[in-house]
Amino acid sequence: AQTVTQSQPEMSVQEAETVTLSCTYDTSESDYYLFWYKQPPSRQMILVIRQEAYKQQNATENRFSVNFQKAAKSFSLKISDSQLGDAAMYFCAYRGFSGSEKLVFGKGTKLTVNP
Amino acid sequence: DAGVIQSPRHEVTEMGQEVTLRCKPISGHDYLFWYRQTMMRGLELLIYFNNNVPIDDSGMPEDRFSAKMPNASFSTLKIQPSEPRDSAVYFCASFPGLAGVAPHEQYFGPGTRLTVT
Repeated sequence: AQTVTQSQPEMSVQEAETVTLSCTYDTSESDYYLFWYKQPPSRQMILVIRQEAYKQQNATENRFSVNFQKAAKSFSLKISDSQLGDAAMYFCAYRGFSGSEKLVFGKGTKLTVNP
Repeated sequence: DAGVIQSPRHEVTEMGQEVTLRCKPISGHDYLFWYRQTMMRGLELLIYFNNNVPIDDSGMPEDRFSAKMPNASFSTLKIQPSEPRDSAVYFCASFPGLAGVAPHEQYFGPGTRLTVT
């Protein structure tokens, strides 16, 4: 079974600085999707960024980018120019490419942004 | 589209009572998922449906939990009888399916916070 590990229960960053959240996963599949979700205090799960494993290029969405290392099974999220609104729980998630639609989540990292 | 709709947003009940959580997925989505979120266990998949048929219920913790999807626009998660350890946030999510338009994202509802006293 696939597993997702987020080794940092909590992280903090100064406003306008850059922070990187770590995620590793375990799978025997060669094709899959990886996601980062943000959960603010409102509880709403918001998709931040996604990566298809067959794409070598790292995904980028504005201030958010990933460092995808397929061989190492690592999928870190970098937030640049951190803003107060980035404070939230961040969850890394895995989904198989075909025949498996369910998401497997890590335990999450709580990000605090200090003014 | 209004997104995934869940009701109620908050539920407080006493141990032993029946609890029913409701979910309306996004129209046209073929898949519906029920997740539970707790501090101890994080986000866990309880059950999911494809075209109203349960596909994987291996995450349902006990016989006290049951889920139904009588039609494409409605699903329920029922706990009977409820216990304090069932206190959690329950999320419903829908998914268009692998044949849909990429990037095949799951869309989450706002969640139901359940407290069992």
